Amino acid sequence: DVKVTQSSRYLVKRTGEKVFLECVQDMDHENMFWYRQDPGLGLRLIYFSYDVKMKEKGDIPEGYSVSREKKERFSLILESASTNQTSMYLCASSKGDWGTGELFFGEGSRLTVL
Amino acid sequence: DAKTTQPTSMDCAEGRAANLPCNHSTISGNEYVYWYRQIHSQGPQYIIHGLKNNETNEMASLIITEDRKSSTLILPHATLRDTAVYYCIVRVSLMDTGRRALTFGSGTRLQVQP
Repeated sequence: DVKVTQSSRYLVKRTGEKVFLECVQDMDHENMFWYRQDPGLGLRLIYFSYDVKMKEKGDIPEGYSVSREKKERFSLILESASTNQTSMYLCASSKGDWGTGELFFGEGSRLTVL
Repeated sequence: DAKTTQPTSMDCAEGRAANLPCNHSTISGNEYVYWYRQIHSQGPQYIIHGLKNNETNEMASLIITEDRKSSTLILPHATLRDTAVYYCIVRVSLMDTGRRALTFGSGTRLQVQP
């Protein structure tokens, strides 16, 4: 079975802490994505990557950065966590042809910033 | 870029067909319509996508009107496990690079009743 694995299902951090959310896919997909999901707002795209070391901003990149050093791994970094970054974070990957490929999602990481 | 409009919620009786509508009146000729669903506490799951012709797979059927301004996702025999939020998405272009990623709205919450 194809799989996207997110490192933590639940995290609790304090304001100002640096937070790393890790995502690994085992499908050799070129494209990887980070979304956040909030009640009433649906899923919003934070960053995506179409190749190793490549990254592009999504709709809401402020306060976040990403790293893709290996094809299978895409990390989301909150340099200094704030309470408004409390959310569900979802990682996804897709193959090849940009934008037409099926997205495979992980189970999500629920982050609470106190 | 085309946006989508979906009802906030719908009910369906178990064993009956669930018909979920979506309006995308500003869709352009080369934009695909995608459907995903999200069962509580899981990441979204791909269902089906299409351009102009009707599509069917083991999960659902997608009916796109001739003018492409709306579509309907059909679950032929809904079960309790089909209770989820269903997202209708039109592929959008990110202005910075022209690369495309899927943008999710708030979706339709389908409740299948026993």
